[in-house]
Amino acid sequence: QVQLQESGPGLVKPSETLSLTCTVSGGSIRSYYWSWIRQPPGKGLEWIGYIYYSGSTNYNPSLKSRVTISVDTSKNQFSLKLSSVTAADTAVFYCARGSTSGYNYGSNYYYYGMDVWGQGTTVTVSS
Amino acid sequence: SYELTQPPSVSVSPGQTASITCSGDKLGNKYASWYQQKPGQSPFLVIYQDTKRPSGIPERFSGSNSGNTATLTISGTQAMDEADYYCQAWDSNTVVFGGGTKLTVL
Repeated sequence: QVQLQESGPGLVKPSETLSLTCTVSGGSIRSYYWSWIRQPPGKGLEWIGYIYYSGSTNYNPSLKSRVTISVDTSKNQFSLKLSSVTAADTAVFYCARGSTSGYNYGSNYYYYGMDVWGQGTTVTVSS
Repeated sequence: SYELTQPPSVSVSPGQTASITCSGDKLGNKYASWYQQKPGQSPFLVIYQDTKRPSGIPERFSGSNSGNTATLTISGTQAMDEADYYCQAWDSNTVVFGGGTKLTVL
């Protein structure tokens, strides 16, 4: 079955850019939406954004100015860059797959939930 | 921005029914999903499209959504169901999560 694995530095300095990669194994990255979600220590989930395999993206408005998500279909990977990080960005970062089914709402397409998640990777922002 | 509100905690006795609510403006006009997260683990989808269970999710998990409230119901709650539960919906092309509810089985 499909598995996701996050990778990247566990420690990032303040003001620098956090970079993470999610590798998709056991299935193709094509025809799905792929998200990044984070969870600060002891807190709830926050959606960062998604990318469709074709490259179209959508970001959380609260993070949009600092976030870039990209995809490499040849490597079955997608990546996250979060710039100008502060201690408030310390969190467990998860990658996840949008489910195969969804619905159209106006001009938007919304998938029904995220059905495959990576194990998560902890990123600490500290000097 | 859109908000989903969940009670911070819910307690239930083994074998009884647990109900976890998720409130948001006109939430019934959207589709709700629910995730279970156990300590040290990733979230896991247990309900999508308000009422549907992914393959492998026990029948004791069910969902509903009407008006301003979506509800996750766990019938015959087991000790293994003790976890944090998060609701999720879409609003204005953005994924929104509730704050989470800690379910204690005691």
